[in-house]
Amino acid sequence: GENVEQHPSTLSVQEGDSAVIKCTYSDSASNYFPWYKQELGKRPQLIIDIRSNVGEKKDQRIAVTLNKTAKHFSLHITETQPEDSAVYFCAASMWSGGGADGLTFGKGTHLIIQP
Amino acid sequence: DGGITQSPKYLFRKEGQNVTLSCEQNLNHDAMYWYRQDPGQGLRLIYYSQIVNDFQKGDIAEGYSVSREKKESFPLTVTSAQKNPTAFYLCASSRRLAEEQFFGPGTRLTVL
Repeated sequence: GENVEQHPSTLSVQEGDSAVIKCTYSDSASNYFPWYKQELGKRPQLIIDIRSNVGEKKDQRIAVTLNKTAKHFSLHITETQPEDSAVYFCAASMWSGGGADGLTFGKGTHLIIQP
Repeated sequence: DGGITQSPKYLFRKEGQNVTLSCEQNLNHDAMYWYRQDPGQGLRLIYYSQIVNDFQKGDIAEGYSVSREKKESFPLTVTSAQKNPTAFYLCASSRRLAEEQFFGPGTRLTVL
């Protein structure tokens, strides 16, 4: 089955700086890569996702890049703000016209924004 | 957020007892999922269902069972065969597989 590794487990950055979280996956058939944000005591929420037919996707201060050859993808957050503090999870899934797998998640990155 | 609900919020169970966790959604989503979340472990997939009357095992299905008799409902039973059932359980749904998943508020199960 799929295995997703996520690094670092904890990331502390100064407010206004950029943060980068990296994930690698093992199954070359995976083609859907979402990122979820979970604030303390709350449910995970999707912040951005990317499919294997593109190499990069941006949404305001958040971007995701995908390197299918190397089987890794990364989350980039620019101009970090206090409300960005949370646990971030990457995930991978395989989808085809005949169906799909469930998501395999990384173990999470605790992002701390220092004032 | 009210589109997918889980009950109860907290659940206590004695060792050796089966317990069923409820998950309901009114989003008209075809796919539903159950995850287990442990500290430092991320979310691990227990079972998922693409459509009514069909479901597939995830990565950690042993000791769990599910049913999908209605589109809106996907209950999870934690059986006495589950060796370490104390955890936070999250249910999710999506319009189809490999699309955005919407999570419920979770059920925290404690085995005494």
